[in-house]
Amino acid sequence: DARVTQTPRHKVTEMGQEVTMRCQPILGHNTVFWYRQTMMQGLELLAYFRNRAPLDDSGMPKDRFSAEMPDATLATLKIQPSEPRDSAVYFCASGLPITGEQYFGPGTRLTVT
Amino acid sequence: RKEVEQDPGPFNVPEGATVAFNCTYSNSASQSFFWYRQDCRKEPKLLMSVYSSGNEDGRFTAQLNRASQYISLLIRDSKLSDSATYLCVVNGKTGANNLFFGTGTRLTVIP
Repeated sequence: DARVTQTPRHKVTEMGQEVTMRCQPILGHNTVFWYRQTMMQGLELLAYFRNRAPLDDSGMPKDRFSAEMPDATLATLKIQPSEPRDSAVYFCASGLPITGEQYFGPGTRLTVT
Repeated sequence: RKEVEQDPGPFNVPEGATVAFNCTYSNSASQSFFWYRQDCRKEPKLLMSVYSSGNEDGRFTAQLNRASQYISLLIRDSKLSDSATYLCVVNGKTGANNLFFGTGTRLTVIP
């Protein structure tokens, strides 16, 4: 049963620290997405990649967030420096362009104090 | 205006009841439509895609009305395990993979 995996599952850090979240998409999926979910805003798209190339990162605060895909099996989302307002659940999803369906990982629950 | 709008509920229904959710979308060029289910503190999971002709999967039926730009989900014979938040999802524009998620409708099925 192929799944998207994410690490860490939980992260508590202090304001100003760097946070790196990792995602392994489902093998064979060539689109990868990063979302942020909060109670107030719901699910927001931060960035997405196709064939490892960034296609849209307009939802991401550019000054502190960065997303990369070093290879087809790894996507990273980095926050530097982190702020309390970044506290949220960050989901990675992968999919295939032809169907548009996306499959989500379990998320990283980030708390910035 | 939001890309996707849903009634947040909550919907509290007894076991065995039929319940329907609607959502509206703003971009008439959208081509892909989905319903996702999200349990508390879990990730969203694809429930079903929504096709122009409507489609059914067991107790679940999805309908698309392009003229009015709304999507519906009907759940028949509700089970306790159907309790979750149901997210209406639409793609942003033709051929795009970026999806817009509604804020969800909360369903609780009561014994």
